[in-house]
Amino acid sequence: QKEVEQDPGPLSVPEGAIVSLNCTYSNSAFQYFMWYRQYSRKGPELLMYTYSSGNKEDGRFTAQVDKSSKYISLFIRDSQPSDSATYLCAMSANFNKFYFGSGTKLNVKP
Amino acid sequence: GAVVSQHPSWVICKSGTSVKIECRSLDFQATTMFWYRQFPKQSLMLMATSNEGSKATYEQGVEKDKFLINHASLTLSTLTVTSAHPEDSSFYICSARAGIEAFFGQGTRLTVV
Repeated sequence: QKEVEQDPGPLSVPEGAIVSLNCTYSNSAFQYFMWYRQYSRKGPELLMYTYSSGNKEDGRFTAQVDKSSKYISLFIRDSQPSDSATYLCAMSANFNKFYFGSGTKLNVKP
Repeated sequence: GAVVSQHPSWVICKSGTSVKIECRSLDFQATTMFWYRQFPKQSLMLMATSNEGSKATYEQGVEKDKFLINHASLTLSTLTVTSAHPEDSSFYICSARAGIEAFFGQGTRLTVV
């Protein structure tokens, strides 16, 4: 079983839609949860990070962590064509090693 | 966020030659840097963790004599792919840890012909 599971998509939505991206994990020691956005042929860009359970909001982005279910989500409100990218979840127990999902490819259609 | 600069962004080399990739943290000191390899439509595969002033820790299955990592200063780590072969062609990405966050370089597309 992989440490982190993420649906690869692709996920295609119309502009303005609410997008929900999700990851599940198996290691209960994970405490730090991150979402990265990666455009084609570029390095990942950190969007948000969350410590332990709870919600965190930053503009149109909301990250949720449910440690009891080992499930994390990233919501994008009012999605824009410029949000089209691959979104990677990542998590870590102690920042000595990061575990990444396989990435979900998102396409926001104008 | 913090800036990590990776150079070159792409390189083509002949089979049998060596290629060096640099990773610099521009506005912070990174005691720990990570090197990843990414295949098309796949996630990042950790190759090694590099700590300043000490030997890198390689993941299982990664040849340390082929992928030489040097972390000589708090702002620079290098990955040298020695005697490169076509199967080494890939996207290599470095990441630098800044406190409790990790920032990535732009990646290097290596093509071995």
